[in-house]
Amino acid sequence: GAVVSQHPSWVICKSGTSVKIECRSLDFQATTMFWYRQFPKQSLMLMATSNEGSKATYEQGVEKDKFLINHASLTLSTLTVTSAHPEDSSFYICSAREDSSYNEQFFGPGTRLTVL
Amino acid sequence: AQKVTQAQTEISVVEKEDVTLDCVYETRDTTYYLFWYKQPPSGELVFLIRRNSFDEQNEISGRYSWNFQKSTSSFNFTITASQVVDSAVYFCALTPSYNTDKLIFGTGTRLQVFP
Repeated sequence: GAVVSQHPSWVICKSGTSVKIECRSLDFQATTMFWYRQFPKQSLMLMATSNEGSKATYEQGVEKDKFLINHASLTLSTLTVTSAHPEDSSFYICSAREDSSYNEQFFGPGTRLTVL
Repeated sequence: AQKVTQAQTEISVVEKEDVTLDCVYETRDTTYYLFWYKQPPSGELVFLIRRNSFDEQNEISGRYSWNFQKSTSSFNFTITASQVVDSAVYFCALTPSYNTDKLIFGTGTRLQVFP
């Protein structure tokens, strides 16, 4: 199957700093990428959908200014957690979908963010 | 509203036992897709199966099998002769066919297979 990478795999930062997480589709072009958040022992919750070259669509309750998403190319989407606080600590997972793979999202390995 | 329920939070079995993970879904859509994903301790979600709502045939893939029953809105997953490597969290998910961006996940079932 298609491969999606995330970088970094884990990050620890101080409260008030910003953290950028990259999501890359390695062997296919992803018109659409998705960002999920997963709290310990909980399910994945969709945060936003990003389409290459356009603004991301955020789910209800997700702060756009807090979680900045950029999908500048067909293989890269970034999520920036701005002014991070301890409650932002979570596991962030991205997924990518190529046009030819109808319906299937390929998931990245996730990024564990810890805010001190 | 759409919803996926995985009532079993945790299941523990001994190797070689068969185990069934339950998934019940709610949707008003007539066409939809159902999925199962595996999330090992490493965290990466591994796609296992996608089933179209029109296709009620059961599917078998090696030690894995799936039982889709529209009448009870269930899409159960059975692992035969479980192995330690099957230990993971398993998620059932649903998406309406008109908006495949919306993957709705269940809360997951943590499966522990002991040697």
